[in-house]
Amino acid sequence: DSGVTQTPKHLITATGQRVTLRCSPRSGDLSVYWYQQSLDQGLQFLIQYYNGEERAKGNILERFSAQQFPDLHSELNLSSLELGDSALYFCASSVSLLGNENTEAFFGQGTRLTVV
Amino acid sequence: SQQGEEDPQALSIQEGENATMNCSYKTSINNLQWYRQNSGRGLVHLILIRSNEREKHSGRLRVTLDTSKKSSSLLITASRAADTASYFCATDARSGGGADGLTFGKGTHLIIQP
Repeated sequence: DSGVTQTPKHLITATGQRVTLRCSPRSGDLSVYWYQQSLDQGLQFLIQYYNGEERAKGNILERFSAQQFPDLHSELNLSSLELGDSALYFCASSVSLLGNENTEAFFGQGTRLTVV
Repeated sequence: SQQGEEDPQALSIQEGENATMNCSYKTSINNLQWYRQNSGRGLVHLILIRSNEREKHSGRLRVTLDTSKKSSSLLITASRAADTASYFCATDARSGGGADGLTFGKGTHLIIQP
């Protein structure tokens, strides 16, 4: 158990809908990262938050947004869903900013999103 | 875009044999990490090697890093059936603020046959 909790584990929804994925980082970790994993694109970095503030954006679509709350949990909002958004969405956390120190990231078990 | 590229894409060996996976990357890095992913599950951190290190060991794992060639290798010795998984290398590129997350390759799928 990595200590990172993601809910829900599975989500099936229709095209055009909006969903919210939730992540609770490990106790004490200030950084939260969101990744999307699909068969064709592999693991893609979406966005990072550190202590409530957005720090970096990767390949995140404009239809997607995220935030980190004062209690450090994070939510990833996906709207106007398309079939191609079907993927595994992972949240990871680390104690500090990756790159500033040699720290590892701890991953949750992911949310499997299926858009039908 | 993918920073790291693992090779081979898939590897099947007999239990007890050694497995070697390679990773190449493109930009300067602070460190390189290897992760394991069992089918459909989260990634598990295996080992981190800093840019100023050349080799690191952890149990049955040995990682090498050649920054001049921008490549790394992961060796799993005396493989076990439980080692069957996908293995990813990940880099955090050197940039101001260090806030670019980890960039993953597409992984090597390792199958250990009993």
